[in-house]
Parts: sequence; C-alpha cells; structure tokens
Amino acid sequence: AQKVTQAQTEISVVEKEDVTLDCVYETRDTTYYLFWYKQPPSGELVFLIRRNSFDEQNEISGRYSWNFQKSTSSFNFTITASQVVDSAVYFCALKTGGGNKLTFGTGTQLKVEL
Amino acid sequence: DAGVIQSPRHEVTEMGQEVTLRCKPISGHDYLFWYRQTMMRGLELLIYFNNNVPIDDSGMPEDRFSAKMPNASFSTLKIQPSEPRDSAVYFCASRATYEQYFGPGTRLTVT
Repeated sequence: AQKVTQAQTEISVVEKEDVTLDCVYETRDTTYYLFWYKQPPSGELVFLIRRNSFDEQNEISGRYSWNFQKSTSSFNFTITASQVVDSAVYFCALKTGGGNKLTFGTGTQLKVEL
Repeated sequence: DAGVIQSPRHEVTEMGQEVTLRCKPISGHDYLFWYRQTMMRGLELLIYFNNNVPIDDSGMPEDRFSAKMPNASFSTLKIQPSEPRDSAVYFCASRATYEQYFGPGTRLTVT
C-alpha cells in the first residue's frame, strides 16, 4: 500500500522568509512518481511538478525548488523569499508505476504574512 | 489551451433532489477522474475512466452516486437523491501520461 505523509499541518511565515514543506512517502514499488499540487484560496488544484523515481536530480523553478531523496523517502518543497501570493494549501502525491491512482497527503496550509 | 472545464461552479439544492455535475476533460487525455474534497476526509477518489470506460468505482460512496462518460469529451457525476452529507467540492481531473490536471471544481451544498 502507498502512503504520503505531510506532517506539517500549517506553517506561518513572514514575507521574504524561506520555507520548506516536508513530504515523506511509502511504497514498495521501484518505479513511482511524485507530485506537488497547490490549492490557493480560490480552490482550484494546480499541478506544480512531477518527479520520477529513477531521477533524483533536484529541480529549481524560479523561487521554487524540490529536493528528492530516495534514501529518506522524502520529496521536500522549498519556497525561497516567500510572497503573500504563495499562501495556499500544498499537497504532495504519489503514483506507482503500474497504477493510475494518486495517493495524496493531507496537505500543508502555508500562510505568508506581510 | 483550455483546461478541464466543470459546470456548474456552484450548486445549492435541497435534500432529496437530483444533482448532476458535468466535466469536459482536456482534449487528448484518455483518463478522467472524479474526486470529492471535504474538510473531514480530504481528497477522495470516487471513480476513474480510461477511454470512456469506468475502471475503478470503489470510491463511490453508495448507490446514490453514479458516473458516466458517453464520449471522450464529456462526463457526468450524478447524485440521486442528494443528502446534506454530500455537501463538498467535487473535482474532475484528466490525464494523458503521468500528471493529472484538475478542473476548478463544483461546490455542492445540499440543504
């Protein structure tokens, strides 16, 4: 069975601070895919990134960066110089290679204040 | 490119009424998923289709819920009769290869 744990329920930071959202996953499959989604207050779910189990390269996109470490089964998400517009619920998700379903974490509510 | 389209965006209905939610997936995507999101239960997968065929409906809560996909560009989720506990945001998502793209959701309120 697959499982995704986002232990941080809510994080509050002041604008321009860096913040890291943690994601720990469990699967017995050797091929799997990890995702991050953003759900802003408007409610839609926005796809941010996908990472394949066979590619451990970290990725940076503007102020966003992702650290994938198979040794600790973690796929953490860092926002550098946070902004108020980053305030949202962020979900980490897992899909196994042979499956079609996404296993979601419970989400982390990020609040960025002025 | 148009994303996943859902209608209506908001629906308020009385208990016992039939509710139909609609979804148009992204063109070319051969998988379609229906989810429900509540504060108590988070995101739940209800059912998914591949090439218009229902593959897994194990998440459908009970017989009051049904879903159809008559063609590649349209799917419906029907609740009949609706109950207050069905109040939630219902998302449709579609997928081509790996990542799912979500629609804006339908906020359903059953009074």
